[in-house]
Parts: sequence; C-alpha cells; structure tokens
Amino acid sequence: AQTVTQSQPEMSVQEAETVTLSCTYDTSESDYYLFWYKQPPSRQMILVIRQEAYKQQNATENRFSVNFQKAAKSFSLKISDSQLGDAAMYFCAYYWEYGNKLVFGAGTILRVKS
Amino acid sequence: EAQVTQNPRYLITVTGKKLTVTCSQNMNHEYMSWYRQDPGLGLRQIYYSMNVEVTDKGDVPEGYKVSRKEKRNFPLILESPSPNQTSLYFCASSLIRGPNTGELFFGEGSRLTVL
Repeated sequence: AQTVTQSQPEMSVQEAETVTLSCTYDTSESDYYLFWYKQPPSRQMILVIRQEAYKQQNATENRFSVNFQKAAKSFSLKISDSQLGDAAMYFCAYYWEYGNKLVFGAGTILRVKS
Repeated sequence: EAQVTQNPRYLITVTGKKLTVTCSQNMNHEYMSWYRQDPGLGLRQIYYSMNVEVTDKGDVPEGYKVSRKEKRNFPLILESPSPNQTSLYFCASSLIRGPNTGELFFGEGSRLTVL
C-alpha cells in the first residue's frame, strides 16, 4: 500500500526567509501525482503545488517550489520569502490514477515569526 | 463559482442519534469522496464514488454509509454515531481523467462532535 510520511510535525521560519518541508512516500507505481496542500486556520484545503511523476522538471508556483527526487521517493516543498500568511498546516499527498484516492501524510505545522 | 458545499459546518450530537452530512458540487465532477481528518493521522478516506450509483469503501468505512443518487450530491450518513467518530470531515470532488487528474476540490469541512 502506498504511504506518505512527513517527518516534521512542526517547523518555524522567520518572515522573509526560506523553509523546506520534507515528504517521503512509498509506492511501486511508476506513474503517479504528488501534491502539497495548505490548510490555514480556516480549515480550508488549498492546493499549493502539483507534480507529475513522469516530469523530471520540478514544479514551481511563485514562491513555492518542490524538489522531486523520484528514485529516492522524496518530494519536499520549499517556501521562499516566507510571509505571515504562509502559516498553516501543510499536507503532502500522493495520487495514483487507479487507486481512487489521495493518500495524505500526517501534516507539518508551519509557524512564521515576524 | 465552482465549489463543494458541505452542511452542517459544525454539529454536536449524542451517541446513537442518526445524522447526515450533505455534500454538493457544481462542477459536474464524476468522482466524489469523503475524508476524515484527525490529529497526527492526516486525512483518511472513508468512502468514494466514481459516478452515480457507484460507491466503494475507502480506508476507514466502518460506521458510515453513503449514497450517490445524483451526480452532484454525495451525503455521508452516520447511522449510530459513536464518540470515536468525533472528527473533522471533508467532502471532495474531481474529474476522473484530464489535465488535473488527482486534484481534489474540497468542501470547507464539517466539525462533528459525538458526546
């Protein structure tokens, strides 16, 4: 079964600095998708970034970028120029087209200090 | 506006009193799913549906029922709630195929407390 592990329950970053959230996953599939979702205190689940496993190029969305290492089954999220609004719970998630579900990690709480 | 709507957003109930959490989406998505979120466990899938009249169990289906009589609606039913079903519940939907494969659209969550 596919599993997703986020080894950092909590992280802190100073405003304007860079932080990296870690995620590893376990799968025997070769084609799949990886996601980072953000959950602010409002509880809304917001898609941050998406990566297709067949693409070697790392996805980027403005200040958010990933380091996707397929062989190592690692998918970390880098947030540059951190802002107070980035404070949230971040979930890493794996999707396999025939698995019919997103598999989530336990989440990492990110605190941003001013 | 494209959205997934859940109701109620908050509910406190007692053990054994049947309740239904409704979920509706306006994006004509084939796929709908329910997740529960618990501290330290992330989100876990309860049930999902690939289309009308097609439903299947997820990872934690015990104590829950679902139905999919219409494409837009996917209610979650707790026939006899118990305290271990106290949780934050999310409904989500997506297209099954296409450029956004796997990308779920989530409702705003329903906080359920069973006393």
